[in-house]
Amino acid sequence: DAKTTQPNSMESNEEEPVHLPCNHSTISGTDYIHWYRQLPSQGPEYVIHGLTSNVNNRMASLAIAEDRKSSTLILHRATLRDAAVYYCILRDAGGTSYGKLTFGQGTILTVHP
Amino acid sequence: DVKVTQSSRYLVKRTGEKVFLECVQDMDHENMFWYRQDPGLGLRLIYFSYDVKMKEKGDIPEGYSVSREKKERFSLILESASTNQTSMYLCASYRAERGNTIYFGEGSWLTVV
Repeated sequence: DAKTTQPNSMESNEEEPVHLPCNHSTISGTDYIHWYRQLPSQGPEYVIHGLTSNVNNRMASLAIAEDRKSSTLILHRATLRDAAVYYCILRDAGGTSYGKLTFGQGTILTVHP
Repeated sequence: DVKVTQSSRYLVKRTGEKVFLECVQDMDHENMFWYRQDPGLGLRLIYFSYDVKMKEKGDIPEGYSVSREKKERFSLILESASTNQTSMYLCASYRAERGNTIYFGEGSWLTVV
């Protein structure tokens, strides 16, 4: 199964941009890159996903490397409500494991006022 | 709004009891998952199902079983609860098309005493 690697933690100040990296060197050609975040005592919530091209939505941007072996989630202006654990995951869409989702450890983002 | 509902948010059970955790989604999703989440270990996949009556073991299936009799409902069963199954359990679902968003429930906190 394709794995992802993320830093254990990152810190940011409020109103500043945050770049959360994710390495996925064993990604397959049809895997989508998904980002989710989890607030304390809640289930993960969707942030953004993409395949090859950079993606933007109201929450964040996703920058995908040309070789797709890494990606970066960009929060343009961090707020205190963005403090969460951020997970980068790949959709395993091949063979008998179709649909299986594997989570890494995630990155704990701390936002300072 | 799309929804994944876990029947119980907080449960306390005794060692040896049979425990049922129910998950219902209202989005006609084929794929459903059960994870457990423990401090420092992230989300670990217990079982997943890609269709009614179909199931596959995840990474930590020991001590658990599942049931998927209807498309919208995926149940996690602890036949004989043990204290090392004290954890937060998360249900997730998504439609079986590439790139689709994954939806999570709010989580069920199980304490086995």
